Amino acid sequence: KQEVTQIPAALSVPEGENLVLNCSFTDSAIYNLQWFRQDPGKGLTSLLLIQSSQREQTSGRLNASLDKSSGRSTLYIAASQPGDSATYLCAVYSGNTPLVFGKGTRLSVIA
Amino acid sequence: DAGVIQSPRHEVTEMGQEVTLRCKPISGHNSLFWYRQTMMRGLELLIYFNNNVPIDDSGMPEDRFSAKMPNASFSTLKIQPSEPRDSAVYFCASSETGDGNTIYFGEGSWLTVV
Repeated sequence: KQEVTQIPAALSVPEGENLVLNCSFTDSAIYNLQWFRQDPGKGLTSLLLIQSSQREQTSGRLNASLDKSSGRSTLYIAASQPGDSATYLCAVYSGNTPLVFGKGTRLSVIA
Repeated sequence: DAGVIQSPRHEVTEMGQEVTLRCKPISGHNSLFWYRQTMMRGLELLIYFNNNVPIDDSGMPEDRFSAKMPNASFSTLKIQPSEPRDSAVYFCASSETGDGNTIYFGEGSWLTVV
């Protein structure tokens, strides 16, 4: 059974810092991995999707990498801003079940 | 499109009462998912449908939970009788293909059972 772990559970950084969020999964036989953002009281919004054949995806200040063989992904946020404060979740799709989510990392960017 | 629409957004009910949560998926999406989110357990898949047919309900915690999708534009998640431990945020999501590539979440139904 696929399990997804995210470390740290919470992170607080000053504005302007670059930061890395980590995600690991137990079964490397995945089709793709996604990073989502969840604002308080809201649903999840997809940020980046990496197919199993890809190593990374970039969108603006966000860069997600995937090392499928080691079961790891990172989300890099450059020059963090207070508006980046949210919970970030990663999820993997293995083809036989819907997305399996980690519990998320709660990020606070302090102005 | 208005996105995935869930109702009610918030509900407070007494233990033992029946709770019905509703979801309207995005038009044209043929997969629908019900998730439950708590601080302790994170986001858990309860059940999902493809073309209105339940595919996997192994995540439904107990017989007190049931879900239906009578047509492509409507689904319900029912809890009867409700218990305090059912307090959580319940999310509905839909996708075109069910392969994880394009999935859209509603804003959730916040349930409190007292």
